[in-house]
Amino acid sequence: EAQVTQNPRYLITVTGKKLTVTCSQNMNHEYMSWYRQDPGLGLRQIYYSMNVEVTDKGDVPEGYKVSRKEKRNFPLILESPSPNQTSLYFCASSSAVGNQPQHFGDGTRLSIL
Amino acid sequence: AQSVSQHNHHVILSEAASLELGCNYSYGGTVNLFWYVQYPGQHLQLLLKYFSGDPLVKGIKGFEAEFIKSKFSFNLRKPSVQWSDTAEYFCAVTKGQGNLIFGKGTKLSVKP
Repeated sequence: EAQVTQNPRYLITVTGKKLTVTCSQNMNHEYMSWYRQDPGLGLRQIYYSMNVEVTDKGDVPEGYKVSRKEKRNFPLILESPSPNQTSLYFCASSSAVGNQPQHFGDGTRLSIL
Repeated sequence: AQSVSQHNHHVILSEAASLELGCNYSYGGTVNLFWYVQYPGQHLQLLLKYFSGDPLVKGIKGFEAEFIKSKFSFNLRKPSVQWSDTAEYFCAVTKGQGNLIFGKGTKLSVKP
């Protein structure tokens, strides 16, 4: 089954404790992206990757890092999480950017205390 | 700034009522347009998309949308909503090979 898998689904942690949210897709997609979803703000792009070893900032990249060492994986790293990063995070992938629909993971709800 | 606007934050309808959710974008030139739906507690799913051709596109679950280039609009419609349509709906746009830009979403509540 074609899917985008995120882990963990839920995480409560404390300020400053490094965390990684993993994202993996099994569709051989070149394009992957991370979004955060906040009430009243919709989805905002954090980082995206056009292909292996190619990443770029989205609209709200501050406080986040990503890597794309393999085509299928695109982890999101919070080196020193802060409470304003409490949010619902979605990973997405598509075969191309632009005119191809994106496939979304189930989401990761992060609470930073 | 280039943006996607969804006019209604929250829409409440009774079952069998007709639905129209507005979406306007501010990009010039060729765009790709999408509507995604997010059911409670779930991830976003593609409802329908427009790239070119017939400006009236049909999606899943009886939804359709009309692209009106002169109005920079891509409104979502459904003739008769059901309780199961309760969800949040997001309009999104890409320009050329650009990234997907989302509107802020419209919550639809359908009363049984």
